Amino acid sequence: QVHVVQSGTEVKKPGASVKVSCKASGYIFTNYAMHWVRQAPGQRLEWMGWINTGYGNTKYSKKFQGRVTITRDISASTAYMELSSLRSDDTALYYCARKPYSNGWYAFDYWGQGTLVTVSS
Amino acid sequence: QSVLTQPPSVSGAPGQRVTISCTGSSSNIGAGYDVHWYQQLPGTAPKLLISDNNNRPSGVPDRISGSKSGTSASLAITGLQAEDEADYYCQSYDSSLSAYVFGGGTKLTVL
Repeated sequence: QVHVVQSGTEVKKPGASVKVSCKASGYIFTNYAMHWVRQAPGQRLEWMGWINTGYGNTKYSKKFQGRVTITRDISASTAYMELSSLRSDDTALYYCARKPYSNGWYAFDYWGQGTLVTVSS
Repeated sequence: QSVLTQPPSVSGAPGQRVTISCTGSSSNIGAGYDVHWYQQLPGTAPKLLISDNNNRPSGVPDRISGSKSGTSASLAITGLQAEDEADYYCQSYDSSLSAYVFGGGTKLTVL
């Protein structure tokens, strides 16, 4: 059975960085990509980027380019998303979501439970 | 402003049928990219409801269906139940943005 479990709530000050983890189980980690999607309070879902868990190459949304870094540890079946230079409008729930490899095709079929990141002075 | 446009809210009585529209453009839905639908219950993560325009993952009842035509897609729910009350999001891929895009979400209220 597929499970995707994320790390817990984070509270950060403006200008700091946050790193969220996403541990997968129940399938071969490198057979699927891992994407990151965020949802600010009362707002729509927003795609941030993804990682090829096998090769490690990444692609980021233009909005977050330069501020987001997605990595993975194959031995731990875990993906990470680090967001830097945090601002108050980065306060959001951050989700990781599994997707079959294919640029532009297939759905996000399993999601983590979400990690709340609050940015406040 | 969302690349994919959904109505903010829809409602229906138990047992009725409701549809939720998702309007895109020639760089996403109209370019042939598939549309997927997610259900988000209050306080929970999104859950895949319909993949590839009209495919139901295991466990999703057949009273839920999806369709796509031109630059739009629709989600239909028949035999409305109280448990259907949730937010629904459509999602596709946009070739101009080189990004996965979501609709603004539709809140379904069961009266």
